[in-house]
Amino acid sequence: AQKVTQAQTEISVVEKEDVTLDCVYETRDTTYYLFWYKQPPSGELVFLIRRNSFDEQNEISGRYSWNFQKSTSSFNFTITASQVVDSAVYFCALSEANWRGGSEKLVFGKGTKLTVNP
Amino acid sequence: DTEVTQTPKHLVMGMTNKKSLKCEQHMGHRAMYWYKQKAKKPPELMFVYSYEKLSINESVPSRFSPECPNSSLLNLHLHALQPEDSALYLCASSPSDRATGSNQPQHFGDGTRLSIL
Repeated sequence: AQKVTQAQTEISVVEKEDVTLDCVYETRDTTYYLFWYKQPPSGELVFLIRRNSFDEQNEISGRYSWNFQKSTSSFNFTITASQVVDSAVYFCALSEANWRGGSEKLVFGKGTKLTVNP
Repeated sequence: DTEVTQTPKHLVMGMTNKKSLKCEQHMGHRAMYWYKQKAKKPPELMFVYSYEKLSINESVPSRFSPECPNSSLLNLHLHALQPEDSALYLCASSPSDRATGSNQPQHFGDGTRLSIL
């Protein structure tokens, strides 16, 4: 069975601090995909990144960076120099590479609520 | 602005009412999804349509009835709901095209906040 664990329920930081959101996953599949989504108070889930299990390269996009380590089954997300607009709930998610006409089931972690204070 | 449009944004209904939630996307995506999200919880998958056919039903009660009239539209018909059905209902779509490969990101709408009195 697939499982995603986000152990940090809530994190509060002061603007300009760096913050890392942890994500640990479990799967028996050798091919799988990992995602991060951001959910601001407005409700929409905003896609941030998709990673497949064969690509362990870390990725940087502006102030965002992701550290994927298969050895520890972790896919952590770091925000550098956090800003108030980064305040949101962040979800890590996992899907198996099971082609069924293109409909894949996302397994979400419980989410981490990040509050960035001015 | 999101590319997946959901209407209405808010809905209050009694337990005997019949209403529908609507979702529309014009990105050419062939998979569409309904999720239910309670406060402080992650989204829970309800239904998936792939190429306008229902491909996944996560044992959702029959008081929720999905419909996919065409590749751009997805409806969720509601009837005789219970107070515990109050939640944010999210629609999503993904390319799900063999040419683009599987497990493409899902694009979400802003959701409909549903309250059952």
